[in-house]
Amino acid sequence: DVKVTQSSRYLVKRTGEKVFLECVQDMDHENMFWYRQDPGLGLRLIYFSYDVKMKEKGDIPEGYSVSREKKERFSLILESASTNQTSMYLCAILRDGINYGYTFGSGTRLTVV
Amino acid sequence: QKEVEQNSGPLSVPEGAIASLNCTYSDRGSQSFFWYRQYSGKSPELIMFIYSNGDKEDGRFTAQLNKASQYVSLLIRDSQPSDSATYLCAVNQGGTSYGKLTFGQGTILTVHP
Repeated sequence: DVKVTQSSRYLVKRTGEKVFLECVQDMDHENMFWYRQDPGLGLRLIYFSYDVKMKEKGDIPEGYSVSREKKERFSLILESASTNQTSMYLCAILRDGINYGYTFGSGTRLTVV
Repeated sequence: QKEVEQNSGPLSVPEGAIASLNCTYSDRGSQSFFWYRQYSGKSPELIMFIYSNGDKEDGRFTAQLNKASQYVSLLIRDSQPSDSATYLCAVNQGGTSYGKLTFGQGTILTVHP
């Protein structure tokens, strides 16, 4: 089974800091996704990537960017962290086709103070 | 109107009862439908996938899809306290969507002994 690892479980950052959230998979899946999860709002797609150096905006990309230099790693970047970016961030990969759905990482709970 | 909407909950059922979770979606071209279960503090995990009209059964879980009415539901028979979790409905539009999923806001289910 594929393993999706998010580098930090909890992060506390200051307003204005540049923040990097890392997601690494241990297989060769092409499609990777970043979501944020907030109470009452469900999961909202920030960005996704379908191959190395290929990325597309999701529904709420403002204030975020992404990087995918290697197939196994997909990074989410908060250019200048703000308090409204305090959230749970979930990375997901698509396994072998849509029928298998996503495998999620364990999530990073980010607090911006 | 939200793209994917779930009954708001929370839903509370006694042990042994049938729990019924509902989801409607706005994009008539949607092709694949998923139910994820998320325990508190954990990541979502896939429990059901359906793409054809009708019922799909897996153990105590039955997913029902009605594309004409644009709804998908999840029935949990013989509910157990261990089924207490947040249930997320997710929809994929198919085509060139690269497998991205749009999630509902989730329904909290509590099964009480």
